[in-house]
Amino acid sequence: KQEVTQIPAALSVPEGENLVLNCSFTDSAIYNLQWFRQDPGKGLTSLLLIQSSQREQTSGRLNASLDKSSGRSTLYIAASQPGDSATYLCAPSRNMLTFGGGTRLMVKP
Amino acid sequence: ETGVTQSPTHLIKTRGQQVTLRCSSQSGHNTVSWYQQALGQGPQFIFQYYREEENGRGNFPPRFSGLQFPNYSSELNVNALELDDSALYLCASSLGDRRANYGYTFGSGTRLTVV
Repeated sequence: KQEVTQIPAALSVPEGENLVLNCSFTDSAIYNLQWFRQDPGKGLTSLLLIQSSQREQTSGRLNASLDKSSGRSTLYIAASQPGDSATYLCAPSRNMLTFGGGTRLMVKP
Repeated sequence: ETGVTQSPTHLIKTRGQQVTLRCSSQSGHNTVSWYQQALGQGPQFIFQYYREEENGRGNFPPRFSGLQFPNYSSELNVNALELDDSALYLCASSLGDRRANYGYTFGSGTRLTVV
């Protein structure tokens, strides 16, 4: 059974900092891994999708890396902004997603 | 290209009642999955449908059931509602097959409150 752990559980930083969010998973037999953002009470917005054959994906200020063999993924957020405040969820996948508890990020002006 | 649409957005039900939640998949997607998210927790997998057949189920009792229609829209039905069923219910669609998917798109969710 896949288990996902995200560290830290919560993070509060001043605007402008570069951030690292960590995700680890127990079953490396995955096809891909997605990072999502969730605003309070809302649905999930896909940020990045990394195929199992890829090492990283980039979108704007976001960069996600994947080390499938060690069961780890990292989301880097450059030059954080108050609008980045949300919960970030990683989800490794075969045919369904498995989620951890997420990282709650607060970026202070 | 339309995204995933869920209805209703909010719902209040009484314990013991039945509820049906609806989901329209993103255009071109053939797989739909349902997740339950309790407050402060990550989403938990309920089940998945691929081309109208169940293709995996999480640790939820049989009173949670579903359907996928030929147009790939879907319903989640919950019978004999319990207070612990209060949660955000999320629908997600993807293009894939029985063994793999190519990235999920989520709807905005239905907030169910059981009183």
